[in-house]
Amino acid sequence: AQSVSQHNHHVILSEAASLELGCNYSYGGTVNLFWYVQYPGQHLQLLLKYFSGDPLVKGIKGFEAEFIKSKFSFNLRKPSVQWSDTAEYFCAVNPWGGSYIPTFGRGTSLIVHP
Amino acid sequence: EAGVTQFPSHSVIEKGQTVTLRCDPISGHDNLYWYRRVMGKEIKFLLHFVKESKQDESGMPNNRFLAERTGGTYSTLKVQPAELEDSGVYFCASSQEGTGRYGYTFGSGTRLTVV
Repeated sequence: AQSVSQHNHHVILSEAASLELGCNYSYGGTVNLFWYVQYPGQHLQLLLKYFSGDPLVKGIKGFEAEFIKSKFSFNLRKPSVQWSDTAEYFCAVNPWGGSYIPTFGRGTSLIVHP
Repeated sequence: EAGVTQFPSHSVIEKGQTVTLRCDPISGHDNLYWYRRVMGKEIKFLLHFVKESKQDESGMPNNRFLAERTGGTYSTLKVQPAELEDSGVYFCASSQEGTGRYGYTFGSGTRLTVV
């Protein structure tokens, strides 16, 4: 079964700092990759997803992620965070050709200080 | 379009009691998923419906959990009898097709506390 590791459980940044959240997965086949965000008191929302094509994916709110197949990674980045980016971020993977059930990581709690 | 609706948003029950959680997916979404997150841990898959059929229930923890999806519309997840370790946030998600190509739309979750 596949698994997803998010290395940073808690990240604290100041506004305008750059952000990179790590995500690695274990699965040998083709995968679809997702980043979701949960703002305080809200539901999980899709930030971006990778299915095929350009491994550098741009999402909403200035976020992007790069799929590096050789490293089984899909790290999330943002060059300059804002206070409103304070949220919990989840990486998810679903394997092609099987059940397509997404497997989620533990999440990373991001706090951005103004 | 209306999103995925879950209720109640919070439920506090005593050990041994029964609780039923409900999820209304986006209209027309055949795929419905239940997930659970225990505090600080990963969001774990419970089961997947395609219309009214259980496609995959490999994540259901034990037979105290019963999920149904009558007529392929809304779904319920019943926990009977509830145990302390059942506490957590239960998420429901729906998608219009099964590969996730268009993403999964999540509800706000039901926070269940068993005391």
